[in-house]
Amino acid sequence: GAGVSQSPSNKVTEKGKDVELRCDPISGHTALYWYRQSLGQGLEFLIYFQGNSAPDKSGLPSDRFSAERTGGSVSTLTIQRTQQEDSAVYLCASSLGPDRHNQPQHFGDGTRLSIL
Amino acid sequence: LAKTTQPISMDSYEGQEVNITCSHNNIATNDYITWYQQFPSQGPRFIIQGYKTKVTNEVASLFIPADRKSSTLSLPRVSLSDTAVYYCLVGDSGRAGGFKTIFGAGTRLFVKA
Repeated sequence: GAGVSQSPSNKVTEKGKDVELRCDPISGHTALYWYRQSLGQGLEFLIYFQGNSAPDKSGLPSDRFSAERTGGSVSTLTIQRTQQEDSAVYLCASSLGPDRHNQPQHFGDGTRLSIL
Repeated sequence: LAKTTQPISMDSYEGQEVNITCSHNNIATNDYITWYQQFPSQGPRFIIQGYKTKVTNEVASLFIPADRKSSTLSLPRVSLSDTAVYYCLVGDSGRAGGFKTIFGAGTRLFVKA
């Protein structure tokens, strides 16, 4: 009965490096979301996947950010040439849908990214 | 997208009932109202969801007036462990073209002994 799993739980890297964050959604959930949360702030939407397609990627803050999803399951969020302002907790959520209304999202515990 | 407005913070004491109200004046016909709870270092956790009137589950009640322009999350007899941030969202996961959710800053509930 696994929930949403994210890895790594913590990542510390130097400015300018690339990072990959992974999300394993709940089995059978076709919708997948990435959010970013800075310390003490609310969640900032980044991108939404339905299956392997991303009908809404409007929240990606710059072209250094990209995400993909394969096999309708695992998703990877990649940040290239990291900057200090990228430091945040990156949260992933999944849900049933979109052919169903009122589907709540189930969240992982996030990856805490720190850019030195 | 429906914007929500919640109090930034609330204080309460153990054993009291806490009511957190969320305003969502431009809620759309198909939008549902969903509340999440978030503890430090964890992702948000679904609490309750409703469309109209009243919904109750084992942890909370959700009151939604007829015009649906606001909703109230009611936590009965809170304990110290209910100290968390509570987010109100409106949206429709069945919306064609995708589903973007807007999390505001939430309401920080602090329960005191």
